[in-house]
Amino acid sequence: DTAVSQTPKYLVTQMGNDKSIKCEQNLGHDTMYWYKQDSKKFLKIMFSYNNKELIINETVPNRFSPKSPDKAHLNLHINSLELGDSAVYFCASSLIDGAEAFFGQGTRLTVV
Amino acid sequence: GENVGLHLPTLSVQEGDNSIINCAYSNSASDYFIWYKQESGKGPQFIIDIRSNMDKRQGQRVTVLLNKTVKHLSLQIAATQPGDSAVYFCAEGGGSQGNLIFGKGTKLSVKP
Repeated sequence: DTAVSQTPKYLVTQMGNDKSIKCEQNLGHDTMYWYKQDSKKFLKIMFSYNNKELIINETVPNRFSPKSPDKAHLNLHINSLELGDSAVYFCASSLIDGAEAFFGQGTRLTVV
Repeated sequence: GENVGLHLPTLSVQEGDNSIINCAYSNSASDYFIWYKQESGKGPQFIIDIRSNMDKRQGQRVTVLLNKTVKHLSLQIAATQPGDSAVYFCAEGGGSQGNLIFGKGTKLSVKP
């Protein structure tokens, strides 16, 4: 069973569209994350979320919003997509914030 | 902030040789450090971790060394194999930032 799964794996869309990436973890973890990996492989935290608190990296545009229907899911919604949003987005989870994180396989987003 | 860095962005080694990947961190309050391996098209995978009260930890073919005096972390891979080819990231956690902060990554290429 995949511990952290995200869908879709590839997403190609036009500028201005709104899209969502789904993430589910079956590890029973309390904290989930979204990371953005750029073309130089740099991993940057976007959000961390547990059932108590959402922490947003202040550099993330408000076009990006996490939605958590329950503890096992943290979806990423992106409005008005821009070319610069093209990247690989990783969902991850950990038992507690700051502990070992388990990553999904990534979603490669291409905005054209 | 993004202060976990790497001295060598790329490393090429001969199969069978030992590899050393280095990382500098800046948050002296971090008490937990992890090395991740990311293969092409996949998410980062946990390799080994170390707590700040330790200076060395060994796994299978891998050793992590922590020097808190100079805020330096290294990953040593013994008898490097082609399957070790990947991008390696160090990450720090447990500090005031809460979530894991990743370094820039080092690409390890193993020549047969």
